[in-house]
Amino acid sequence: QSVLTQPPSVSGAPGQRVTISCTGSSSNIGAAYDVHWYQQLPGTAPKLLIYGNTNRPSGVPDRFSGSKSGASASLAITGLQAEDEADYYCQSYDSSLSASVFGGGTKLTVL
Amino acid sequence: EVQLVESGGGLVQPGGSLKLSCAASGFSFSGSAIHWVRQASGKGLEWVGRIRSKANSYATAYAASMKGRFTMSRDDSKNTAYLQMNSLETEDSAVYYCTRRSPDSSQGWFDAWGQGILVTVSS
Repeated sequence: QSVLTQPPSVSGAPGQRVTISCTGSSSNIGAAYDVHWYQQLPGTAPKLLIYGNTNRPSGVPDRFSGSKSGASASLAITGLQAEDEADYYCQSYDSSLSASVFGGGTKLTVL
Repeated sequence: EVQLVESGGGLVQPGGSLKLSCAASGFSFSGSAIHWVRQASGKGLEWVGRIRSKANSYATAYAASMKGRFTMSRDDSKNTAYLQMNSLETEDSAVYYCTRRSPDSSQGWFDAWGQGILVTVSS
């Protein structure tokens, strides 16, 4: 059971928009700790996708965006492409655990 | 180019030990905190622990399930971090990644990852 809760899977057709939620609690996201998102393509290491809730590292397309409200955060992907098919993870810090924590991951399928 | 390369993985029997290495290049290793994250086959990412820089007293922290069994260290002269794993259990079987946190704070993110190294605990 992950500290941060994500839907196990989402799907969408090419060109569509999908969102992935990440729900935490008062000891992590709700305590104003930032949320970061990672993309993991099959058989590869995770890659930073969004940092500090809303910021994209250089090279990440603006089709990817992040938001945060209260104890939850979301990753939105617009203009879905086949290459976006991957696992997506949210990450934050939990003050009760004194540990970095990840969501359970969401598998994105492009139909 | 920022690069992290893990080594030292392999097959070990339950109760055994293994030491992973993480060789870094392309950035100021001595000023960076290094974290370890693992991923069991078909499962999600799990934070293992971290070692901070000399400026932060090489402070270490571990996930609860690894505390007392895993020890992190580093050799800044070799730009290398280590993860010593003792009393290994079958549940420790996973791909282990070393990663850099930037900035080195609870608000930081993991902006560089190694390719991962497989550890299999089995008799």
